[in-house]
Amino acid sequence: NAGVTQTPKFRVLKTGQSMTLLCAQDMNHEYMYWYRQDPGMGLRLIHYSVGEGTTAKGEVPDGYNVSRLKKQNFLLGLESAAPSQTSVYFCASSSPPGEQYFGPGTRLTVT
Amino acid sequence: AQSVSQHNHHVILSEAASLELGCNYSYGGTVNLFWYVQYPGQHLQLLLKYFSGDPLVKGIKGFEAEFIKSKFSFNLRKPSVQWSDTAEYFCAVTLNFGNEKLTFGTGTRLTIIP
Repeated sequence: NAGVTQTPKFRVLKTGQSMTLLCAQDMNHEYMYWYRQDPGMGLRLIHYSVGEGTTAKGEVPDGYNVSRLKKQNFLLGLESAAPSQTSVYFCASSSPPGEQYFGPGTRLTVT
Repeated sequence: AQSVSQHNHHVILSEAASLELGCNYSYGGTVNLFWYVQYPGQHLQLLLKYFSGDPLVKGIKGFEAEFIKSKFSFNLRKPSVQWSDTAEYFCAVTLNFGNEKLTFGTGTRLTIIP
């Protein structure tokens, strides 16, 4: 099993550009999550999904959109990137009430 | 909403020293508790978890944590640290029901000096 994978691993965007981050899991987990990690702030939940076709806002959803068209995939979109979105993005998945499994992360820089 | 506090932002220890990292949460109901570790340049991995039962939980690599309900605490301990324990450690909590969201603490950076 590959577990949780994320593409791309690194990306540099200019302000105003858009992009989509892809998360895939092969553990048949119901729940999937997108976090951002910033120095001194831990991990903050952006959006999450409790099943195919469902999404919900987390702690810091502004500027991001998500879609869960297939159970194994969870997409995070930035429609108009801003420097404040420079961060490391982690995807995770879980089946309740278990632990969350994390992907390797995507390092995004917005200039 | 629940919150998690990790008061130690950066801890520096020599090899073989004992470790205790503090974690306090604010929620009066039943919770599930986790400690995750992030080695430099890597993703988060689970160290240990508490759902119910024995409040002293043992995890991987010699780590353990004790859930003290009256203190809303879930401190992480290791009797003798190694250089390879250098990492960032995150405490996290989720509600026992509707447990789809983890709330993380801000993390404690642990540096072990050989």
